[in-house]
Formats: sequence, C-alpha cells, structure tokens
Amino acid sequence: QLQLQESGPGLVKPSETLSLTCTVSGGSISSESYYWGWVRQPPGKGLEWIGTVYYSGSTYYNPSLKSRITISVDTSKSQFSLKLSSVTATDTAVYYCARILVGWDAFDIWGQGTLVTVSS
Amino acid sequence: EIVLTQSPGTLSLSPGERATLSCRASQSVSSSYLAWYQQKPGQAPRLLIYGASSRATGIPDRFSGSGSGTDFTLTISRLEPEDFAVYYCQQYGSSSFTFGPGTKVEIK
Repeated sequence: QLQLQESGPGLVKPSETLSLTCTVSGGSISSESYYWGWVRQPPGKGLEWIGTVYYSGSTYYNPSLKSRITISVDTSKSQFSLKLSSVTATDTAVYYCARILVGWDAFDIWGQGTLVTVSS
Repeated sequence: EIVLTQSPGTLSLSPGERATLSCRASQSVSSSYLAWYQQKPGQAPRLLIYGASSRATGIPDRFSGSGSGTDFTLTISRLEPEDFAVYYCQQYGSSSFTFGPGTKVEIK
C-alpha cells in the first residue's frame, strides 16, 4: 500500500527558507496515473494548495505563493521536495504531501502532515 | 481563480439524520474536477468523492455526491458517529486547485 511521509525541520526562522521532503513508499513515483502535490493548513484554518509536480519534473504553483516556491522531484529516491523562501509567521502550518489522480485531479492519498512553525 | 463557497459553515445534526452539504463555485467547474474530503481533528484529509459523484476506494455508500456547473452537493444519508468531522470541497481548473472553507458537521 502506497504511503507518503513528510520530513524536515519543525522550526524555521523568519526570512529563511522552509524545506520539506516527501518520501513515497509502497509504489512508484513515476507512474503516469498519478502526480504529486503539497497542501498546507494553518492552525485552526482550512486547506491551501501550494503546488504540484509530475515525475517528469513539470510543476504548477499557487499564484499567490509562486514567487517563493520551488518544488522538485527525485525519482531515484522516490522523493519530491518543497522549498518556500522568505517565510513569515503566516507560513506556520501543517504541511501535507499527497498523491493526485491524473484525469480526476483529486488528492487520493495523503501523508500524515508535519507542523512547521516560523518563529525566531 | 475559482472561489469555492461552502454552506452551511456548521451543521448540527444527530446520528441517523441526513446531512446535506453545499459547495458553490464562482464560475463553472467541470464535474470531472470536483472532489470532497473529510477531515477529523489531528488527521490528514481523506478523499470521499471525486469526479463530483464517484466514491473513493473504501468509502461507504451512505456518502454520495451530485451536482454540476457551479452547484455541488455532498449527502450523508444517515450519519454515523464517525462522520462528525469537517468536510471540504475542492476543484481543479487551469492547472490550479482551490479548496472551499469547509463545513463542520457536529453532534447536536
């Protein structure tokens, strides 16, 4: 059964870069039936799409975050990664990685999420 | 950007009752690209419905989705104790995703 696991620092200082990695296990990251994404959720609030990446490396980003985001994929490690630069307290959130169904564009499998706090 | 509005914000019901949740889009959404999720406290969201009306793997048939264009509905035919949670709709269009603000279904 495919599983996703986020990893990375739980505390980031303001103005620095948040870096997270999602490791895919129990299945192929290179399947043409799926692609991969990041979603975040500030404490007590709703869900916000961050961006998506195909195994080929093609990416799409939330326009409101686009200037600060880089998402990449490493198929040899079955991982995809998120970098969010110039963070502020408003970037404090639980960050989820997820698998997305091609053709339906729904997030069908999610990681457990990791809380990233931006604070000095 | 397509904005999704969900109503009501909170739905207070008793186990066994029927729940009807609404998701309205600011412009037309392809039915293929409308999904619903359930989220319980401290857990990741869980896909319930994709393509507006197709149940995801393992989802009980008391959950059903319907709608088209700008108006979509998630119905829970008879609420079970484990169904009390927050529900989000999500759309995809022009290589971009948006989520609704959520509807909380709470025990009356």
